[in-house]
Amino acid sequence: EAQVTQNPRYLITVTGKKLTVTCSQNMNHEYMSWYRQDPGLGLRQIYYSMNVEVTDKGDVPEGYKVSRKEKRNFPLILESPSPNQTSLYFCASSLGVAKNIQYFGAGTRLSVL
Amino acid sequence: DAKTTQPPSMDCAEGRAANLPCNHSTISGNEYVYWYRQIHSQGPQYIIHGLKNNETNEMASLIITEDRKSSTLILPHATLRDTAVYYCIEGGTSYGKLTFGQGTILTVHP
Repeated sequence: EAQVTQNPRYLITVTGKKLTVTCSQNMNHEYMSWYRQDPGLGLRQIYYSMNVEVTDKGDVPEGYKVSRKEKRNFPLILESPSPNQTSLYFCASSLGVAKNIQYFGAGTRLSVL
Repeated sequence: DAKTTQPPSMDCAEGRAANLPCNHSTISGNEYVYWYRQIHSQGPQYIIHGLKNNETNEMASLIITEDRKSSTLILPHATLRDTAVYYCIEGGTSYGKLTFGQGTILTVHP
């Protein structure tokens, strides 16, 4: 089954404790992206990747890092989480020729205390 | 900021057609209109997209006005499971950043 898998689905952590949210897709998609969703602000793009080893900032990259060492994986790294990063996070992927037809993961709900 | 305008909420009776409007008066000539929906904090789901011709797939139909300034997403026989937030998004195929606005909350009633 074609899918985008995020882990963990739920995470509660404390300020400053490094964490990684994993994202994996099995559709051989070139394009991958991370969004966060907050009440009243909608979904906002954090980082995106056009292909392996090619990443770039989205609208709200501060406090996040990403890497794209393999085509299928695009982890989101929070080196020193803060409470304002409490949010619902979504990973998405798409074919390079149809970047706007994106397949989304189920989401990761993160709480930073 | 989202460049599309949608009503904040709409209701529909189960089994009836749901017609969701979207205004995109500043859309460029090479930009498509995309529709997604999000069911209660699940990941957004792609529905359909179009450039200037009407489109239909197994989920919905998309009607785009001739001047391309607005469009309507049609769910021909709405079910309770179609209750969701529906987003209308404009974008060029070379991009990839989907700018989600507030969308339309569609509630399908029994």
